[in-house]
Amino acid sequence: EAGVVQSPRYKIIEKKQPVAFWCNPISGHNTLYWYLQNLGQGPELLIRYENEEAVDDSQLPKDRFSAERLKGVDSTLKIQPAELGDSAVYLCASSLRLNSPLHFGNGTRLTVT
Amino acid sequence: GESVGLHLPTLSVQEGDNSIINCAYSNSASDYFIWYKQESGKGPQFIIDIRSNMDKRQGQRVTVLLNKTVKHLSLQIAATQPGDSAVYFCAENGSQGGKLIFGQGTELSVKP
Repeated sequence: EAGVVQSPRYKIIEKKQPVAFWCNPISGHNTLYWYLQNLGQGPELLIRYENEEAVDDSQLPKDRFSAERLKGVDSTLKIQPAELGDSAVYLCASSLRLNSPLHFGNGTRLTVT
Repeated sequence: GESVGLHLPTLSVQEGDNSIINCAYSNSASDYFIWYKQESGKGPQFIIDIRSNMDKRQGQRVTVLLNKTVKHLSLQIAATQPGDSAVYFCAENGSQGGKLIFGQGTELSVKP
């Protein structure tokens, strides 16, 4: 089966500019996650979707971050405006059901200059 | 708050030796644990998982041990190979479930 697909792989933008990341989960996986990973650290959850519903967005900085999962399949994570501290790898993952393994994409490495 | 931490940030082993990576977790309500391997430039790759009703689970060359009494998790890799060189993360599902809380990671370096 195809894995989780993310694009772009790399993105360099200037601060205050908007940026968007796209994720296509594994077919049939109803649960989708966006994680942020800083260098040398473990991933941290930003938002979790069950189908098209965001069921856990407590760690999402809602003043500048937004996400959507239309039709319960693909998802987009947006930052507007980006800040220098947003430089990180943004990982998307999906799982078949609750408390089952998460399968991660290779992430989007964002650099804000 | 909830946290998962690793005892050793780096581990260097000789090819062919066994590796043991340790992890301490803080939330006694966690009932699901996973080990991931992450190579440079890639996303975390699932290795093995274990639920709290078990204390040991084996996979191909890997074994996960869970000690709920002291809230400790370990990953054992048998006959470590150069391809095992990566950062290894443990993760737990926390008190609310539905998500994974990751530790900082241990970098495993395999010397030929």
